[in-house]
Amino acid sequence: EDQVTQSPEALRLQEGESSSLNCSYTVSGLRGLFWYRQDPGKGPEFLFTLYSAGEEKEKERLKATLTKKESFLHITAPKPEDSATYLCAVQEDTGRRALTFGSGTRLQVQP
Amino acid sequence: GAVVSQHPSRVICKSGTSVKIECRSLDFQATTMFWYRQFPKKSLMLMATSNEGSKATYEQGVEKDKFLINHASLTLSTLTVTSAHPEDSSFYICSATHLGQLGNTIYFGEGSWLTVV
Repeated sequence: EDQVTQSPEALRLQEGESSSLNCSYTVSGLRGLFWYRQDPGKGPEFLFTLYSAGEEKEKERLKATLTKKESFLHITAPKPEDSATYLCAVQEDTGRRALTFGSGTRLQVQP
Repeated sequence: GAVVSQHPSRVICKSGTSVKIECRSLDFQATTMFWYRQFPKKSLMLMATSNEGSKATYEQGVEKDKFLINHASLTLSTLTVTSAHPEDSSFYICSATHLGQLGNTIYFGEGSWLTVV
């Protein structure tokens, strides 16, 4: 059974304090690993899709990396507006196309 | 970028009535859409996979007669909560797969808050 584990559950940073969020996954075969940002009461906002180990993608202060067992979302010099829940999800390379989500990391960036 | 829209964003219904939530892919066609449910401070739980022109595939434990899914076109899927009860109150979110220059991207709607009173 697919498993996606995110850590930490919650993270509080000072503005400008860089950090990383972790997503560990167990799947029989990975089609893609997805990162989303979710604000309270809103649907998830797409950030990145990673397909193979060694792949990296960047968007503004965010950088996502992927290995065969985990993915990291690096946040460089975060700002208060980066406060949100960050969700990681995996998609199998089988006929099942739905995503399996982790429980998320709630990030709070204080000014 | 690709957009997925849900309507209504908030709905209140009386216990025993039915309510319909729409999910539209606004600028792309989606043969498959997904419906999720999210409880407060919890992650998304897949309810069903909605397939255009065929029956939906439900996850284990999800009552297909209670949560009716119709995917009548390549841009519209609907979720109808029948005979709603207070325990059905939740945040319902749909998603659709977009195959584009960025590869395989799954976009989510804004979500629909259902309150059953």
